[in-house]
Amino acid sequence: SAVISQKPSRDICQRGTSLTIQCQVDSQVTMMFWYRQQPGQSLTLIATANQGSEATYESGFVIDKFPISRPNLTFSTLTVSNMSPEDSSIYLCSVAPRLGNTIYFGEGSWLTVV
Amino acid sequence: KQEVTQIPAALSVPEGENLVLNCSFTDSAIYNLQWFRQDPGKGLTSLLLIQSSQREQTSGRLNASLDKSSGRSTLYIAASQPGDSATYLCAVRPNSGYALNFGKGTSLLVTP
Repeated sequence: SAVISQKPSRDICQRGTSLTIQCQVDSQVTMMFWYRQQPGQSLTLIATANQGSEATYESGFVIDKFPISRPNLTFSTLTVSNMSPEDSSIYLCSVAPRLGNTIYFGEGSWLTVV
Repeated sequence: KQEVTQIPAALSVPEGENLVLNCSFTDSAIYNLQWFRQDPGKGLTSLLLIQSSQREQTSGRLNASLDKSSGRSTLYIAASQPGDSATYLCAVRPNSGYALNFGKGTSLLVTP
């Protein structure tokens, strides 16, 4: 299994500002992902965080809006840039450990943009 | 594009009932299927994972089945309890890659 810590767990942000979310895993993992869950919706994949290289973004998500870093096999950050109320969501970090097929999720970071 | 549908969207049952949650997917070329539980304002807790070659998995009062050829999975909860109240999400992983495709979930309320 994998234990994932996300910070912050919640935040209220001003329109136009940026916020960086951190994801720390207790063991080295093969893959790390960032998902978004808008109110009342299911989860949508934003990007795959690649260690040592640029993240791979899904359709509809761009690096300028959601820059991602992954400096090592246990840590990643997601920045939500120039926030608007439409960015109010839960952002979840997800990992695929080296062994096994189960995908694990963090507790999420609940962002409200005012 | 993989589409994952969960029925019903919401369900309310009295404590003690057995219940079934349904998940269907349009592309049968899946690597595995995973059921999650999400409590309000929280992240996801993995409940059961079924590999594409498997028919079912069990954990305690939970049993998940998979019929890959027909694109269906069910999550059976036996003897439901108020603590089971949560949203249950079904997610499929494609044969290539790790990215999960999620359904919109079934919101379950178990009343005492």
